[in-house]
Amino acid sequence: RKEVEQDPGPFNVPEGATVAFNCTYSNSASQSFFWYRQDCRKEPKLLMSVYSSGNEDGRFTAQLNRASQYISLLIRDSKLSDSATYLCVVKKGNTPLVFGKGTRLSVIA
Amino acid sequence: DAGVTQSPTHLIKTRGQQVTLRCSPISGHKSVSWYQQVLGQGPQFIFQYYEKEERGRGNFPDRFSARQFPNYSSELNVNALLLGDSALYLCASSLRLATEETQYFGPGTRLLVL
Repeated sequence: RKEVEQDPGPFNVPEGATVAFNCTYSNSASQSFFWYRQDCRKEPKLLMSVYSSGNEDGRFTAQLNRASQYISLLIRDSKLSDSATYLCVVKKGNTPLVFGKGTRLSVIA
Repeated sequence: DAGVTQSPTHLIKTRGQQVTLRCSPISGHKSVSWYQQVLGQGPQFIFQYYEKEERGRGNFPDRFSARQFPNYSSELNVNALLLGDSALYLCASSLRLATEETQYFGPGTRLLVL
């Protein structure tokens, strides 16, 4: 079983739609959780950290369920510029980042 | 401030050759990590360095090696290249190794092995 698993995608949604990505992780000792965004042929960039209480940044909302080892990202009012691959990432202590395969999102006009 | 820089941006090699990739972290950052991203996959951890010492190694063969210099820049070396080494090689830097530290990625070096 992979350490971080994500919806394979691709997700093709119209502008203005709400889209949700899910991710599960296998290591219950994981302590830090992130969503990274990666544009085509570019490096991953931190979108947001994910906290147990849930957190929101504008149109983006992240949730963490430690009991189910489940992370989610909700994007409201999708924009064309949201088209990218979204990577679910977990980390335990000082160990390196562990990435999922990513979920590709295409927002269509 | 400049972000993480990597060189070269692109590289074409043939099987059996050796390659050296370079990374300069954000000024003040003492930790550098290397990741390999093959097409359609998420980045996979290769090495982590902090204060010039290796602090972690991923599941990669001994053909892969790295080092960190006194100015905290880093090099990744790959010997005896295989076709499967074709990938985007990403360098990430952070201030420290602490759990909460954000890692910032460079633009990567795209390696093609023919």
